[in-house]
Amino acid sequence: TQLLEQSPQFLSIQEGENLTVYCNSSSVFSSLQWYRQEPGEGPVLLVTVVTGGEVKKLKRLTFQFGDARKDSSLHITAAQPGDTGLYLCAGGPYNQGGKLIFGQGTELSVKP
Amino acid sequence: NAGVTQTPKFRILKIGQSMTLQCTQDMNHNYMYWYRQDPGMGLKLIYYSVGAGITDKGEVPNGYNVSRSTTEDFPLRLELAAPSQTSVYFCASSYSLNTEAFFGQGTRLTVV
Repeated sequence: TQLLEQSPQFLSIQEGENLTVYCNSSSVFSSLQWYRQEPGEGPVLLVTVVTGGEVKKLKRLTFQFGDARKDSSLHITAAQPGDTGLYLCAGGPYNQGGKLIFGQGTELSVKP
Repeated sequence: NAGVTQTPKFRILKIGQSMTLQCTQDMNHNYMYWYRQDPGMGLKLIYYSVGAGITDKGEVPNGYNVSRSTTEDFPLRLELAAPSQTSVYFCASSYSLNTEAFFGQGTRLTVV
């Protein structure tokens, strides 16, 4: 059973299109993080959202944490080929100590 | 600062052999994690530690063991290697559960 469900798992789009990646759970999280991973490398943090309903922007990327702290989304505006990579959500389930678990990832390909 | 250092980078094991994957961090982080990542997938938590002397099971602990005798080091032991343990292994550390997790470069393990 996947505690953090990401969708879609694969996304192939043209440069300039918009996209949204979802991260859902039936559990409450104290925070959710989004990472990006390049081939052959470890994941690198993009953002952490902590407060229910919180919205954070990072240039063309917009992150939202659900009001109930069970879900999050990543929206990319006007995608560029440089956005290509594996996007992962991660979080610590509430009251489960120091566990940091990851979703299964969204493989994004942006074609010029 | 070196960050999180994993060794070795690559290893081929025969079925039934054992080995230790080394992980050390120089950021004085309390939290440390071991993950495995299969091709095109997200990261599965094997074991984690919230401080020296404290370890706990993650999502997929079977076939692995860990120890945390110092803040800096968090080795992962594979006993009786099986083909199902062929994967890329990542070690990570963080100051707390809600702060950025820093990853090592990964160890690509093949069991034949």
